[in-house]
Amino acid sequence: DGGITQSPKYLFRKEGQNVTLSCEQNLNHDAMYWYRQDPGQGLRLIYYSQIVNDFQKGDIAEGYSVSREKKESFPLTVTSAQKNPTAFYLCASSIGGLPQETQYFGPGTRLLVL
Amino acid sequence: AQTVTQSQPEMSVQEAETVTLSCTYDTSENNYYLFWYKQPPSRQMILVIRQEAYKQQNATENRFSVNFQKAAKSFSLKISDSQLGDTAMYFCAFMKPNAGGTSYGKLTFGQGTILTVHP
Repeated sequence: DGGITQSPKYLFRKEGQNVTLSCEQNLNHDAMYWYRQDPGQGLRLIYYSQIVNDFQKGDIAEGYSVSREKKESFPLTVTSAQKNPTAFYLCASSIGGLPQETQYFGPGTRLLVL
Repeated sequence: AQTVTQSQPEMSVQEAETVTLSCTYDTSENNYYLFWYKQPPSRQMILVIRQEAYKQQNATENRFSVNFQKAAKSFSLKISDSQLGDTAMYFCAFMKPNAGGTSYGKLTFGQGTILTVHP
């Protein structure tokens, strides 16, 4: 089955701790994205990557970091610098080549602060 | 900057009936892309329908169709023969074509409309 997987489904962060959210896709997509969703709001772009070993900041990149060492994987680290990390995080991917291509989403990770 | 507005926080409809969700957007671009995504209680975002602004014909996908009014910057979603499985939050989203830098592939979302289908 082709698709996007995110793990874990729920993640708890302690004060001052960095945590990493996993995103894997087997769709052979070049482009991958991370979004944050807060209650009652739409999604906001954190980071995106068009190709391996390259990524760019989105609208709300402060306090987050990413890597893109493999085409299939785009992990997101929520650092201690992110003061309000409690949110629902969604990973997406698209075929790539053109930015207007349709994005397909994973099931999401809910991050809670202890 | 582009903005997307969904003015209906919540809607409800009886099973088998038709419902229309509203979306307006603000942009100075002439060419762009519009999307409706569905987010059921599972929280996964699912693409419902996509419209290219240069196409005059309204997009349709089975029971889902849009009414795209470019001059009015309006992009409503019509769901016909509503089913219980249509219960979800629906998001309208806008994308500029060929944008680079921080805008590459950026989807600008509205705040969503919660749709409840009653039996």
